[in-house]
Amino acid sequence: GQSLEQPSEVTAVEGAIVQINCTYQTSGFYGLSWYQQHDGGAPTFLSYNALDGLEETGRFSSFLSRSDSYGYLLLQELQMKDSASYFCAVRDSTRGFKTIFGAGTRLFVKA
Amino acid sequence: GAVVSQHPSRVICKSGTSVKIECRSLDFQATTMFWYRQFPKQSLMLMATSNEGSKATYEQGVEKDKFLINHASLTLSTLTVTSAHPEDSSFYICSARLEEGGANVLTFGAGSRLTVL
Repeated sequence: GQSLEQPSEVTAVEGAIVQINCTYQTSGFYGLSWYQQHDGGAPTFLSYNALDGLEETGRFSSFLSRSDSYGYLLLQELQMKDSASYFCAVRDSTRGFKTIFGAGTRLFVKA
Repeated sequence: GAVVSQHPSRVICKSGTSVKIECRSLDFQATTMFWYRQFPKQSLMLMATSNEGSKATYEQGVEKDKFLINHASLTLSTLTVTSAHPEDSSFYICSARLEEGGANVLTFGAGSRLTVL
């Protein structure tokens, strides 16, 4: 089977930088994704890493180390609107390339 | 960008009734759609994979007779919760996968919040 672990909650102040870590165990790793979900809303895609290294998209960056089964999402210049839940997700080739989500990290951004 | 439309957004029903949720890909064809279920403050749990023109594949522990999935066209998948009970109350979300520049992207519908009285 597979499992993903990420912190349940993170609190940071506006303008700061926050890093949300994710470790995973899966039989057929085929990429790590990050999604953002505001309360009551649908998840929206943020970033995807198939290979080791850093992917940057505006204020958001995502990192992957396949040898460590580890990745993180980096949010810079935090804004109040960034308060949301963030999910890491892995695509598993041994399960028909389905996407399995972690438990999510609730980010609270304070003024 | 790709849009997945899902409705109804909210539904309240009596115990024992059936509820149908529709998921449409508006500007692309989706041979495969995924149905997730989410309880408050919890993760998205994959329920089943909906395959156009063939039977859905269900995750372990998901009752196929309880959660009927139909994918009759390349743009429409439906989830029917049969004989709903209060424990079926949850947030149901459909999604379709797009390969964008090599990235694996799931585009989600807005979700359907089901409350069974």
